[in-house]
Formats: sequence, C-alpha cells, structure tokens
Amino acid sequence: GESVGLHLPTLSVQEGDNSIINCAYSNSASDYFIWYKQESGKGPQFIIDIRSNMDKRQGQRVTVLLNKTVKHLSLQIAATQPGDSAVYFCAEKTDTGRRALTFGSGTRLQVQP
Amino acid sequence: DARVTQTPRHKVTEMGQEVTMRCQPILGHNTVFWYRQTMMQGLELLAYFRNRAPLDDSGMPKDRFSAEMPDATLATLKIQPSEPRDSAVYFCASGLVLGQGNMNTEAFFGQGTRLTVV
Repeated sequence: GESVGLHLPTLSVQEGDNSIINCAYSNSASDYFIWYKQESGKGPQFIIDIRSNMDKRQGQRVTVLLNKTVKHLSLQIAATQPGDSAVYFCAEKTDTGRRALTFGSGTRLQVQP
Repeated sequence: DARVTQTPRHKVTEMGQEVTMRCQPILGHNTVFWYRQTMMQGLELLAYFRNRAPLDDSGMPKDRFSAEMPDATLATLKIQPSEPRDSAVYFCASGLVLGQGNMNTEAFFGQGTRLTVV
C-alpha cells in the first residue's frame, strides 16, 4: 500500500522520545474518533479510539486527547520505537446516522535510531 | 485470527477492461466499507453496506463503478470500463454496528488491492 505519499506532513523523532501527532477535524457533529496506523504495503490498523464524552483515553504507550472546543485531536506515543514509523491517520464519525469514517490526510512519523 | 481478506492483492489492466475486486469481511461483521487511497486524495470512502444493503455510495462514480454484496461473506467492487485515473489502492473494511448506528467495533481493514490501469 502506497499510503498517502509525497505531500504528507512528516514528524521526525529520535528513538525513545515521545511523539505527538495532531489532527484537526471539521465536523462539529462528529462524536467518535479513531487513530489508525498504516505501514507500507498494509491497510490501516486500529490504534485507539475515543468518544466525544471523553477528553482523554490511554492505551499501551499511546494516549489520545480530544478538544471538542477547537475540534482538535492528538495522538501521543510514549518512548517511540522504530516500529512506530508509519503514516498515522485520524478518522471521525458521527455515531448516529449513516455516516462512515472520514479520514484525515495523514502524518508520516519517522523514528530515527 | 479474524481478518478482512481482499483479492487480488495486485492488478494491472489495460484501459477499458473490467476489473473486479473482492472482499471477505470478518465473520459476524455486518458493515462493509470500500475506500480508495491515492497520493493526492488520501483515503476516500466509495461505498458502504450494512446487513448487505447499500447505505451510502455517494463517493463512487456511478457511471463506471458498482459495489455489491452477493452474500454476507463476499463484497465486490467492479469498475467497467477502467481508466488510468482509477489507479489506486482499494481497501475494504468491515465492522460491527448494532442499535442506532453505534459502532461496536472499529473498522478492520484488509491489505488492499493495488490497481494499475495502463
């Protein structure tokens, strides 16, 4: 899978550092958000999700923060590892109604050893 | 382990030819999505089905694209005739939605079909 390529914003971090990937969404009616990771040649893979009644959710080494006031979502990866290198997408959805996930444009994370 | 299976993984075809991409959703999932990924447009929703019924195909060019679910274990996306601008990676995803549209699981993606139309 080629992922989104040439014009992706890129975040470059050193191995062991923390990473923060940001996402702005536009639909104020969105109430369910997911972060996906896409490695080269693969489909997007679920990382963590959050509903709009929360502002923070933690997983293993990852934390998602949601600020509904400014329609902003962030993904924090602790102690970034080379295996974290990938393209990260945020996706949004309204839980009611018929809408499917709408994906952002993605951010490429490069982890330097 | 349960996963979404897409075939073929790669397809090269000549302009004007018919292309059919297949997807086997995860057993028990009732919602299937088709997305297209390109460098310029990113991930775009083409169509999605719930309980085999099309809910939204507004993202799909109607004149040449068609999506169907002949049964609960198979979703197809067909392009006829194909054009070079259709070259992209096509992803199928499945999920489980119950009740009033609340998503009980996230969308699980297949590995994609890389389509090249020359």
